[in-house]
Amino acid sequence: EAGVAQSPRYKIIEKRQSVAFWCNPISGHATLYWYQQILGQGPKLLIQFQNNGVVDDSQLPKDRFSAERLKGVDSTLKIQPAKLEDSAVYLCASSPRTGMNTEAFFGQGTRLTVV
Amino acid sequence: AQSVAQPEDQVNVAEGNPLTVKCTYSVSGNPYLFWYVQYPNRGLQFLLKYITGDNLVKGSYGFEAEFNKSQTSFHLKKPSALVSDSALYFCAVRDKGGSQGNLIFGKGTKLSVKP
Repeated sequence: EAGVAQSPRYKIIEKRQSVAFWCNPISGHATLYWYQQILGQGPKLLIQFQNNGVVDDSQLPKDRFSAERLKGVDSTLKIQPAKLEDSAVYLCASSPRTGMNTEAFFGQGTRLTVV
Repeated sequence: AQSVAQPEDQVNVAEGNPLTVKCTYSVSGNPYLFWYVQYPNRGLQFLLKYITGDNLVKGSYGFEAEFNKSQTSFHLKKPSALVSDSALYFCAVRDKGGSQGNLIFGKGTKLSVKP
């Protein structure tokens, strides 16, 4: 079974530029998450999708971050314009369904450096 | 609100010795608890979970975790540590709020196993 695919692996941009990350979840997984992991901290949820609908985006900085999951499969996360504090690893995860007892499967992440 | 705490930033053990990585939780009702491991430049890998039933949960790579309701703890354990176990370990709890199952992570504990 193929895992969660993310690209790119690394990205360096200047502040105020825009950047986009892509995620392809495990086939058949209805739930998709984007997490932000700042160095020295645990991952923090940015947005959760169930199929192509948003379940939770309460922690997404909507003035600069946006995400979509068209057709309920792969997803993109965009930052525009980027700030220095956006430097982090952006992790995508998926699970077969939304449920309290279901583990999430994570991709390798995209390491973003904003200079 | 649900939360987990990992009181140790780093745990050092000698190869062959038993290891324990601590986690305490704060939830309303029954907790759904998880352990993940993160190797350098890799995404998070699922180790084990507690949903209900036996307090001792067995997982991947020889790890196990003991759920203790009275102490609100879910410590990760391994009888004999390997150098290859050196990594970052995260405890997580399912959010029972509106996000329908978002994982809330601790800040992580760095495990270092020396030969």
